[in-house]
Amino acid sequence: EPEVTQTPSHQVTQMGQEVILRCVPISNHLYFYWYRQILGQKVEFLVSFYNNEISEKSEIFDDQFSVERPDGSNFTLKIRSTKLEDSAMYFCASSEGDNSPLHFGNGTRLTVT
Amino acid sequence: QKEVEQNSGPLSVPEGAIASLNCTYSDRGSQSFFWYRQYSGKSPELIMFIYSNGDKEDGRFTAQLNKASQYVSLLIRDSQPSDSATYLCAVAPLAYSGAGSYQLTFGKGTKLSVIP
Repeated sequence: EPEVTQTPSHQVTQMGQEVILRCVPISNHLYFYWYRQILGQKVEFLVSFYNNEISEKSEIFDDQFSVERPDGSNFTLKIRSTKLEDSAMYFCASSEGDNSPLHFGNGTRLTVT
Repeated sequence: QKEVEQNSGPLSVPEGAIASLNCTYSDRGSQSFFWYRQYSGKSPELIMFIYSNGDKEDGRFTAQLNKASQYVSLLIRDSQPSDSATYLCAVAPLAYSGAGSYQLTFGKGTKLSVIP
């Protein structure tokens, strides 16, 4: 069964450094998302992406965050200058569109020290 | 502020019993409702979705929706130890059959423990 893949599974970085989290959505899916989950907290929406542009973003998704679909398969989340509070599990998800569920990847655990 | 509330649990049920998980939401504009299962350290896995009032059954799982009461529930029949996980309720403003992107608001989850 097709799945969303995310790399790396765990990323450790120092405060102030830039990180790029990578995702390969399911190939025929049209909508792409990033969610995050701080340890012990709710899963929170960050951003959705469709037709090569952001369609929705939350208050969390400030100027330090950006997303990109650099080619036909990858979908990336960049955090320009990481803060301690960015430590969380980041989940990529994709959906086919109408009448289809969100499929989540296995996540990248980001640890900012 | 859109809120989705769940009892954090833990909810303990014996193997073979029915587990009942509940969720309330604040946004009356919510149109689509989802139950995800999340094992510790893993990603959410879709169990069921519902967008019409009433019951929807899929195998051992039944989702129930009451939009007037802003309440959605999940029943798990014949609970198994492998059902032990955190169950996340999520809601979205768009009708599931509608086009557009998908901003889910999640509850914090109810931890279910099925005792052998």
